[in-house]
Amino acid sequence: SQKIEQNSEALNIQEGKTATLTCNYTNYSPAYLQWYRQDPGRGPVFLLLIRENEKEKRKERLKVTFDTTLKQSLFHITASQPADSATYLCALDISQKVTFGTGTKLQVIP
Amino acid sequence: DAGVIQSPRHEVTEMGQEVTLRCKPISGHDYLFWYRQTMMRGLELLIYFNNNVPIDDSGMPEDRFSAKMPNASFSTLKIQPSEPRDSAVYFCASMRGTGDGEQFFGPGTRLTVL
Repeated sequence: SQKIEQNSEALNIQEGKTATLTCNYTNYSPAYLQWYRQDPGRGPVFLLLIRENEKEKRKERLKVTFDTTLKQSLFHITASQPADSATYLCALDISQKVTFGTGTKLQVIP
Repeated sequence: DAGVIQSPRHEVTEMGQEVTLRCKPISGHDYLFWYRQTMMRGLELLIYFNNNVPIDDSGMPEDRFSAKMPNASFSTLKIQPSEPRDSAVYFCASMRGTGDGEQFFGPGTRLTVL
């Protein structure tokens, strides 16, 4: 069965730096991969989707890459701000069944 | 639109009691998902519906769990009888049938079974 690993449970970075989060998966590549943000006490919120035939996608300060050879997606937040502190989840869609990673808790330190 | 609405937001019950969680998806969305989130296991898909029809319930932990979607604007997740290990946050999410696969999550129901 498909397994998803997010690089670490927690990541602390200094404000203004670029945060890089990793999502690795096993087995076959999904049709697309999504990134969500979750704040404490709230449901996940969709951020970006990248398809298997796309290498990179950007949205404001966010950038996602997708390497089907490495079976990996990288999620970057440039010029990070304390307001970016949250848990970030990657999710893979295979045959319309979405599987989520356990998330990486990002803390941006002022 | 108000987004996905879930009720109750918090539920505390005793072991053996029946628990019913409710969800109103975003109008016009064809898909509805029920998830459970715990620290140990993360966010797990329990069941999902397409046009009110259950498509995949392989994530439902056991027969104590059941879900229904009687119409396009309402779904329930029932646990009977409840057990302490069912304590978790339960999320409902909905999605358009055409589009980029973006799921819209509700605020969740925090269930505590004593």
